[in-house]
Amino acid sequence: QSVLTQPPSASGTPGQRVTVSCSGGSSNIGNSIVNWFQQLPGTAPKLLIYSNNQRPSGVPDRFSGSKSGTSASLAISGLQSEDEADYYCAAWDGSLNGYVFGTGTKVTVL
Amino acid sequence: EVRLLESGGGLVQPGGSLRLSCAASGFTFSKYAMSWVRQAPGKGLEWVSTVTSGGRTYYPDSVKGRFTISRDISKNTLYLQMNSLRAEDTAVYYCAKNWEIWGRGTLVTVSS
Repeated sequence: QSVLTQPPSASGTPGQRVTVSCSGGSSNIGNSIVNWFQQLPGTAPKLLIYSNNQRPSGVPDRFSGSKSGTSASLAISGLQSEDEADYYCAAWDGSLNGYVFGTGTKVTVL
Repeated sequence: EVRLLESGGGLVQPGGSLRLSCAASGFTFSKYAMSWVRQAPGKGLEWVSTVTSGGRTYYPDSVKGRFTISRDISKNTLYLQMNSLRAEDTAVYYCAKNWEIWGRGTLVTVSS
């Protein structure tokens, strides 16, 4: 079982704003930066957000990340059909001395 | 262009061994942390191992003592030596450069 908890699913219609939460603890999110990964069906994961709220080059600005205390969130504004994918948060855990991924959230575009 | 290409996956019996390779190109290999991540069929991502730019290695308890990460800087190649394999190690194994670039993965199936 992962120490980072995400909702199994989230959905929205095209153009809507969707948020995905990631709940952790003081040993991980509370004391580490959070990364977010997008995994399109049948493909490898891709870094979407790094250092809590930074977008790599090429990632649309409709994706944004935030962190507060022991939780983090990913927001997708102006949802598009190509955003349908699995999304994972991740952070270093100082107690486990290792990297932990969230449980993953499947985002569906209705 | 930065590229990572995994190889070495396949079918292995429980208790067997396998060595995965990840050929890197397009960047100075020695300057970045490299990691292995796996994904069992229909499941989420699971971190397997990391080697820092300084050569320090990290493992989760699930593979500690069975898996060994290493790198050959002269060959720009990352390795994962997997011993005492179990059915639950069946997964697609990805290598990643500093989390920012991922390979396409290689499938490891542990079954008799």
